[in-house]
Amino acid sequence: SQQGEEDPQALSIQEGENATMNCSYKTSINNLQWYRQNSGRGLVHLILIRSNEREKHSGRLRVTLDTSKKSSSLLITASRAADTASYFCGGETSGSRLTFGEGTQLTVNP
Amino acid sequence: EAGVAQSPRYKIIEKRQSVAFWCNPISGHATLYWYQQILGQGPKLLIQFQNNGVVDDSQLPKDRFSAERLKGVDSTLKIQPAKLEDSAVYLCASSLEVYPEMGYTFGSGTRLTVV
Repeated sequence: SQQGEEDPQALSIQEGENATMNCSYKTSINNLQWYRQNSGRGLVHLILIRSNEREKHSGRLRVTLDTSKKSSSLLITASRAADTASYFCGGETSGSRLTFGEGTQLTVNP
Repeated sequence: EAGVAQSPRYKIIEKRQSVAFWCNPISGHATLYWYQQILGQGPKLLIQFQNNGVVDDSQLPKDRFSAERLKGVDSTLKIQPAKLEDSAVYLCASSLEVYPEMGYTFGSGTRLTVV
């Protein structure tokens, strides 16, 4: 069963704009992770937020977590054409089991 | 630090044939995962190893899929016999539990096409 469910499925923006992707999950998690996947490649870890954290920053990335709503958001500020990729959230449960959603396809137009 | 190595990169087989994929995780990573990613979907966990023991194989179709991790390092995933719906990218990942902030490291995957 899928743990994460991303919204929107696809997002197209202009370079320099901010991109926001949302994720909802079903069961209790230890942490939530965001990954990027370029076409034909494996997933690349972006950021991890623990269940007792509410917000985390890393460079141009900002992640929030609301455990009461079982939801998370990923904000990419000042987007670049190189940010074009699919983005997946994954909830990690006890036993280090990471389950992903279907992803958001982000297109950043130059 | 070398990444997660997978081979082959691509494989085309006919249905009912068998196929095997190989994965070499990052040195020292005790946990190894195999994921199946069908085109347009998110990765789906097939099996999780901790060292050379299976932690979770609840999503592995055991009538046709098998996996092993001898000596707690390299791993192989086998499909026998393959079906058309097995066409997907098979991703291997590894992680180091003492540094969860680093997340999982994925290989580039093996793209399988069953015709």
